[in-house]
Amino acid sequence: QQQVKQSPQSLIVQKGGISIINCAYENTAFDYFPWYQQFPGKGPALLIAIRPDVSEKKEGRFTISFNKSAKQFSLHIMDSQPGDSATYFCAASAGGIGSQGNLIFGKGTKLSVKP
Amino acid sequence: SAVISQKPSRDICQRGTSLTIQCQVDSQVTMMFWYRQQPGQSLTLIATANQGSEATYESGFVIDKFPISRPNLTFSTLTVSNMSPEDSSIYLCSVNPGDYGYTFGSGTRLTVV
Repeated sequence: QQQVKQSPQSLIVQKGGISIINCAYENTAFDYFPWYQQFPGKGPALLIAIRPDVSEKKEGRFTISFNKSAKQFSLHIMDSQPGDSATYFCAASAGGIGSQGNLIFGKGTKLSVKP
Repeated sequence: SAVISQKPSRDICQRGTSLTIQCQVDSQVTMMFWYRQQPGQSLTLIATANQGSEATYESGFVIDKFPISRPNLTFSTLTVSNMSPEDSSIYLCSVNPGDYGYTFGSGTRLTVV
């Protein structure tokens, strides 16, 4: 119930291409779904987040698509750049911004964008 | 968003010793979260620290091994006690102040030799 399943484990994309990372969850109490970007030696940085009352959220080249009925959400990185090469984590929590709950993380996707 | 200062950024420690990690936030927060990230792995919650009460530990983590202090609303410490090489990980603190979601410190990279 508490798991967040993330795929693929690794992804190689050509510069300018679209990177797509998928996550699935079981716990219907989850109501906040962030994506984090982590570079080696750094802590995770919040990239974009969505609540289940919308099906899509876009910020620049990054888009979250959310399918409540399928309990799935995905990150799309448009026009992928070598600087996007990092590990991406999806996460979920019940309570969202300012909540007292904790984040449950997916296992991560290592993205490499080839020039 | 909240700014978190975490110290030390890295350390190499002898087995059997203890290390205390500090986490300072630039705003008052009710809850502070401590995570462990083993090499090449995802983040796992160790415990949740609430000011004025005992920390709440997740399954597999115990207070004797990971004692936590939370003396005020902007500061917390995590101690890794009686360390073994299996404790080599990145330890991260996190807060959720309200406007921007969960924010993480830059982490403490611990190597136990």
